[in-house]
Amino acid sequence: DAGITQSPRHKVTETGTPVTLRCHQTENHRYMYWYRQDPGHGLRLIHYSYGVKDTDKGEVSDGYSVSRSKTEDFLLTLESATSSQTSVYFCAISSLVQGITNTGELFFGEGSRLTVL
Amino acid sequence: GENVGLHLPTLSVQEGDNSIINCAYSNSASDYFIWYKQESGKGPQFIIDIRSNMDKRQGQRVTVLLNKTVKHLSLQIAATQPGDSAVYFCAENEGNTPLVFGKGTRLSVIA
Repeated sequence: DAGITQSPRHKVTETGTPVTLRCHQTENHRYMYWYRQDPGHGLRLIHYSYGVKDTDKGEVSDGYSVSRSKTEDFLLTLESATSSQTSVYFCAISSLVQGITNTGELFFGEGSRLTVL
Repeated sequence: GENVGLHLPTLSVQEGDNSIINCAYSNSASDYFIWYKQESGKGPQFIIDIRSNMDKRQGQRVTVLLNKTVKHLSLQIAATQPGDSAVYFCAENEGNTPLVFGKGTRLSVIA
């Protein structure tokens, strides 16, 4: 298994509180991603990073921010959690290098289940 | 916008039979396709991939078929086993853009 650790694995919080999810990798992969998974929607991309301090928005980025100060860590922050952000969040990593024909494969973490009451 | 979808949300097959999971995509410029398997409570795991310059690729008990004319992708699992029960996702991308995932098909294997 790829060395990806997500924390916390489970969290229950209240509407309006800030939440930070952490993704830690030991593979030294350049690309890191945050997806959310909801019934009927599959996996949707929130934000991704193509290097330290380089991030970009995905399909469902509203209400989320990210930071990557080190190659191994990618943080997802909900500044003020809402019930619509109740979901399972997956971090993924890739060794894809921009400008080179894609290899494509993402390695996923085990997921973080967030419940916003 | 363009997206990747699936024809069937659920599929039940008898143990030992072959399974075929289908996926439609709408971006004609997509050049890379990939299948993932997700077991309950776990993250998705890579099964097999295929580039747009190919129409078939085989792995161990799995085959991916790509029909670019009708923008259709399928995953065939030979001699389906109980351990194959999971949700299967197709995904695609164009160039180096992030993968776009379909909604998933749940495969149930009947012993």
